[in-house]
Amino acid sequence: SQTIHQWPATLVQPVGSPLSLECTVEGTSNPNLYWYRQAAGRGLQLLFYSVGIGQISSEVPQNLSASRPQDRQFILSSKKLLLSDSGFYLCAWRGGGSNQPQHFGDGTRLSIL
Amino acid sequence: KQEVTQIPAALSVPEGENLVLNCSFTDSAIYNLQWFRQDPGKGLTSLLLIQSSQREQTSGRLNASLDKSSGRSTLYIAASQPGDSATYLCAVRVNSGGYQKVTFGIGTKLQVIP
Repeated sequence: SQTIHQWPATLVQPVGSPLSLECTVEGTSNPNLYWYRQAAGRGLQLLFYSVGIGQISSEVPQNLSASRPQDRQFILSSKKLLLSDSGFYLCAWRGGGSNQPQHFGDGTRLSIL
Repeated sequence: KQEVTQIPAALSVPEGENLVLNCSFTDSAIYNLQWFRQDPGKGLTSLLLIQSSQREQTSGRLNASLDKSSGRSTLYIAASQPGDSATYLCAVRVNSGGYQKVTFGIGTKLQVIP
């Protein structure tokens, strides 16, 4: 069966520090991969999605970036974090085809001090 | 631009009651609609996915319906239990600029009281 792993679960970082959140999927190949941010009282905001290795599309301009160095690995990064980057970050995957469900990791709670 | 609204924002019911959660969307040209539950501080767990050609899907005590023409979906939970307490989100998938985009509602926070 397919599983998705996301780490760390929680992270506290000072303003201006770098960031690296990792997400890996097991049990499937060539998944579509997604990074979302969830803010309190707001819906999930899509940050990045990837349909294949090295293929990244950005939904929202910001100081975050994403990379997909391997088929089942998706990394969210920042060179210098801002206070506004605080939030709950969720990684998700979906199989190919229009009617495949999306599956989410357990999320990373990021707090910027 | 697709907008997804979920009503009510919060709901509290006694254990054993049947309940209905509502989801409405503005663009009816959807591929599918997916219902999730989210426990506090956790990721989303997929409950049901309804394809645009389907009217409903069932899983255990859960039944989701879809009326694409009116832009509405409901999630029916039978014989609610305290373990059903969570936030329930709906998400619709549409074609947007050559790829499929998912828009989420803010969710309905459900509390089932023992």
